[in-house]
Amino acid sequence: RKEVEQDPGPFNVPEGATVAFNCTYSNSASQSFFWYRQDCRKEPKLLMSVYSSGNEDGRFTAQLNRASQYISLLIRDSKLSDSATYLCVVNRQGDYKLSFGAGTTVTVRA
Amino acid sequence: ETGVTQTPRHLVMGMTNKKSLKCEQHLGHNAMYWYKQSAKKPLELMFVYSLEERVENNSVPSRFSPECPNSSHLFLHLHTLQPEDSALYLCASSQDQTGIYNEQFFGPGTRLTVL
Repeated sequence: RKEVEQDPGPFNVPEGATVAFNCTYSNSASQSFFWYRQDCRKEPKLLMSVYSSGNEDGRFTAQLNRASQYISLLIRDSKLSDSATYLCVVNRQGDYKLSFGAGTTVTVRA
Repeated sequence: ETGVTQTPRHLVMGMTNKKSLKCEQHLGHNAMYWYKQSAKKPLELMFVYSLEERVENNSVPSRFSPECPNSSHLFLHLHTLQPEDSALYLCASSQDQTGIYNEQFFGPGTRLTVL
């Protein structure tokens, strides 16, 4: 089983729509969770860390469900500039190794 | 310069060539990483350096040889590569290697093509 699994998509949504997707992780000892964004042929960039109580950053909301071992990302009022691949990233406390999912592709159309 | 920089941005090399990738971080971080990203695959961790000591060699073939002369610089020396080594090579850095929120900051990558 992969350490981090994501639905590859693509999720094609119109501008202004809400889009949400999940990521599951296999290691119950995981402590830290992140969403990174990667534009085509560019490097990954940190979008947001995911805290145990869930957190919101503008139009982006991340949730963590430890019991079911998944995290989610919700994007409200989608913009064309939100088109990207979203990488789910997990690691354990005290461990330098980040485990990356293969990414979920989101395409926002006008 | 700010953040993490990598040179060259693009590299085409033959299987018998020797080349080096360079990474420099301007963030005062203590840990640096090399990743390989192939099309449609997750990032693969190759090497980790913490305070200039290699702490991880993730079963990487010996044709890839890392070097970390100081905490700001990281090199990846390449020799006798194979066409399947063509990929995006990403360098990253983080404040340390063990923090609970160990955000890593990535350089723009070197897109490598092996002919």
